[in-house]
Amino acid sequence: GESVGLHLPTLSVQEGDNSIINCAYSNSASDYFIWYKQESGKGPQFIIDIRSNMDKRQGQRVTVLLNKTVKHLSLQIAATQPGDSAVYFCAETNQAGTALIFGKGTTLSVSS
Amino acid sequence: GAVVSQHPSWVICKSGTSVKIECRSLDFQATTMFWYRQFPKQSLMLMATSNEGSKATYEQGVEKDKFLINHASLTLSTLTVTSAHPEDSSFYICSARGDLAKNIQYFGAGTRLSVL
Repeated sequence: GESVGLHLPTLSVQEGDNSIINCAYSNSASDYFIWYKQESGKGPQFIIDIRSNMDKRQGQRVTVLLNKTVKHLSLQIAATQPGDSAVYFCAETNQAGTALIFGKGTTLSVSS
Repeated sequence: GAVVSQHPSWVICKSGTSVKIECRSLDFQATTMFWYRQFPKQSLMLMATSNEGSKATYEQGVEKDKFLINHASLTLSTLTVTSAHPEDSSFYICSARGDLAKNIQYFGAGTRLSVL
């Protein structure tokens, strides 16, 4: 079935370091992926997206990499700040393209 | 832009009562809205997808008669938890997808439901 997962449930980094959050997906037909950030007690916040016809997309301090060969997605955060501490979810559209399927989430903790 | 408002943010109710949660897209028209449920330290589980003016599509295992969804306009969807029981206590989150970007869903802040 369709599933999206993450490699590590938690990641701890020092302020200023670069963070890499990984996600593995199982549906080779998935053509669209999104990263969301969720702070405690709040709804998810859109970070960046990427379509399957791309390998890399950059935003402000964030980069998403897509490796379709191994069905792997990653989110890179440059110069991580304490405000980046949150749970990060990758998501992919379902086969019908009508909804998002969320992975399990990685909790990023940034220490000063 | 792309603001989704969800109300209330927190509600406590007695077992057997019904609770209505509202989800509004404030600055765009939401052709599709989604309702999710999230347990502590877990991911978001899609409950249902609703398109304006039509019946909601529920995910497998979600009781249609317990979780009533109405999407009467392009800016408002409601979720009513009927005859709530303690096991319905959870964090409910809505999202909206509209004319801004077809695949991006913008989320509300969520509603914490506690059923006593």
